[in-house]
Amino acid sequence: GAVVSQHPSRVICKSGTSVKIECRSLDFQATTMFWYRQFPKQSLMLMATSNEGSKATYEQGVEKDKFLINHASLTLSTLTVTSAHPEDSSFYICSARGTFNTEAFFGQGTRLTVV
Amino acid sequence: QKEVEQNSGPLSVPEGAIASLNCTYSDRGSQSFFWYRQYSGKSPELIMSIYSNGDKEDGRFTAQLNKASQYVSLLIRDSQPSDSATYLCAVRGDSNYQLIWGAGTKLIIKP
Repeated sequence: GAVVSQHPSRVICKSGTSVKIECRSLDFQATTMFWYRQFPKQSLMLMATSNEGSKATYEQGVEKDKFLINHASLTLSTLTVTSAHPEDSSFYICSARGTFNTEAFFGQGTRLTVV
Repeated sequence: QKEVEQNSGPLSVPEGAIASLNCTYSDRGSQSFFWYRQYSGKSPELIMSIYSNGDKEDGRFTAQLNKASQYVSLLIRDSQPSDSATYLCAVRGDSNYQLIWGAGTKLIIKP
């Protein structure tokens, strides 16, 4: 399957700071990227969907000014958690789909801990 | 609202037996169906995809799709302890290839 690389895998930050998470498709062009959040023992929750060169579409209840998504190229999308708070601590996972793929491939995930 | 339902489990199966995981979906127009496996603390990995009615086999895994009854299942033959994980069913909606996710079934294979 296609390879999606997500970085960092783990990050600890202080409350009030911002954290950037990168998601790269290594061997295909990702026309669509999805960002998920997963709390312990819960299922994946879609936060937003982004198409290359377009503004992200956020799910209901997700603050777009807090979770900034940039998908400026066909191989890179970033999620920036701004002014992070302890309740933002979670497992963030990106997923990418190419033009000719029906399935989506996942990055390794980022464990964010806000202290 | 489009929904995908799974029994949360845990489903406990003895090693060597067949594990059967089920998933139902509400959108009759769905066309693509996926099973992902997720180990604790890791991101999901694609196990099987199925697009047409019937069975699709890949090694020890068999996906079954019945569009009339709106369910998709995953069978794991000769279950191994390493198969212990949460199995997520996902159905592709019709907008932007967004996947609709089930809550997952936790599978435990007992040695």
